[in-house]
Order: sequence, then C-alpha cells, then structure tokens
Amino acid sequence: TQLLEQSPQFLSIQEGENLTVYCNSSSVFSSLQWYRQEPGEGPVLLVTVVTGGEVKKLKRLTFQFGDARKDSSLHITAAQPGDTGLYLCAGGQETSGSRLTFGEGTQLTVNP
Amino acid sequence: GAVVSQHPSWVICKSGTSVKIECRSLDFQATTMFWYRQFPKQSLMLMATSNEGSKATYEQGVEKDKFLINHASLTLSTLTVTSAHPEDSSFYICSASSVLNEQFFGPGTRLTVL
Repeated sequence: TQLLEQSPQFLSIQEGENLTVYCNSSSVFSSLQWYRQEPGEGPVLLVTVVTGGEVKKLKRLTFQFGDARKDSSLHITAAQPGDTGLYLCAGGQETSGSRLTFGEGTQLTVNP
Repeated sequence: GAVVSQHPSWVICKSGTSVKIECRSLDFQATTMFWYRQFPKQSLMLMATSNEGSKATYEQGVEKDKFLINHASLTLSTLTVTSAHPEDSSFYICSASSVLNEQFFGPGTRLTVL
C-alpha cells in the first residue's frame, strides 16, 4: 500500500507566524499535488510538482518536492487567518493513472 | 483551474430511500471521475473510480450494490446511495481528472439520513 504520511495533523498558530507541513512516503511519486479545503467545500488545487528538487512559490506559500520524489513540504510565511483550512497532499504514480494517494491532512488554524 | 459541479449540495432523506448525486465537469471532458467520502476534519477516502463507458472500480470495503456509479458521458458521473441509512450520512465529493492527471474537485454533497 502506498502511504503518504502528513504532519502535523493539527496546527494552531498566531497570525504572522511561519509554518511548514510535511508529506513523506517510502514510495516514489511521479507527481505530488497540494490542496486546500475549507469546511463544507471541495479541495482546491494549489500546486502540482513533478520534478525532484522542484520548488514552486505561490505568494506566501512555498512548495518543495524532494530530490527522490518521495517527500514534499509546504511552507507558509507570515500566516494569515485566511490561510485557515485543511491542507492535503496527494501523490500520483504513472502506474496508477490519475488515481491519487492522499495524506491524512493538516488542519491549520491561524488565530488573529 | 477546471470547474467541477455537484448537485445537490446538500440533501436530507429518510432511512431506506435512495439518493442520487450528480458530478459534472463543466469546461473539460473527463474520462475518469472519482468519488470520495469524507468525515469531519479527516482526509478524503476514495470510494470508487469511474471511467466513462465502463463499470466503476470500487475500493476494498465499498459495497458496489449500495453505492451505484454511472458514468454515461465524458462530463457526467452519478453516485446513487441505495437504501440509505444513518451511517451513510457523510460528505461526498467527486473529482474529475484532466489529461495531465490532475484532479479537480466538486464542492461536495452533504448527505444526512434520518
């Protein structure tokens, strides 16, 4: 079974703080996606990384794909209350077509 | 990103009735759609993979006779929860995959079975 371990599961911080969410696996993934989900809504795709060592930035969010394509991280700088939500990583493998393996999710709360 | 819609957004039904949920990709054709179930503050649990024109592939532990999936066109998949019971109450989410194998999610359907 391909597993993606996501940590931490819960994170509560103050506005302005920085944070990092990790996504780790013993399996190699051909792509890794990060989603953000708000209560009562579907996940929204934030980024897709496909190359080992790749770094992508989306405003205050920085995504990195590990060199071996087994792990990824999401770093948020100067978090804001609007960043509150469930962050999900999901890995894809060429042998699985478009099927994704999801991490357990990180529930982030940014307090004003 | 691509737009996926779901209907209804919420539904309340009596125990024993069947409920149909529609998932549509609005601006692209999706050969593959996925159905997930999600409990509060948890990740998504894949129920089944739906391919246009063929039978759905169900994950282990998911009853195919209870959760009927039809994918009649490249833009529409439906999930029917048959003889629903309170334990079926959950948030059901569909997604549609693009040619790049990215998944775009619908807004979800909240099912409450009384």
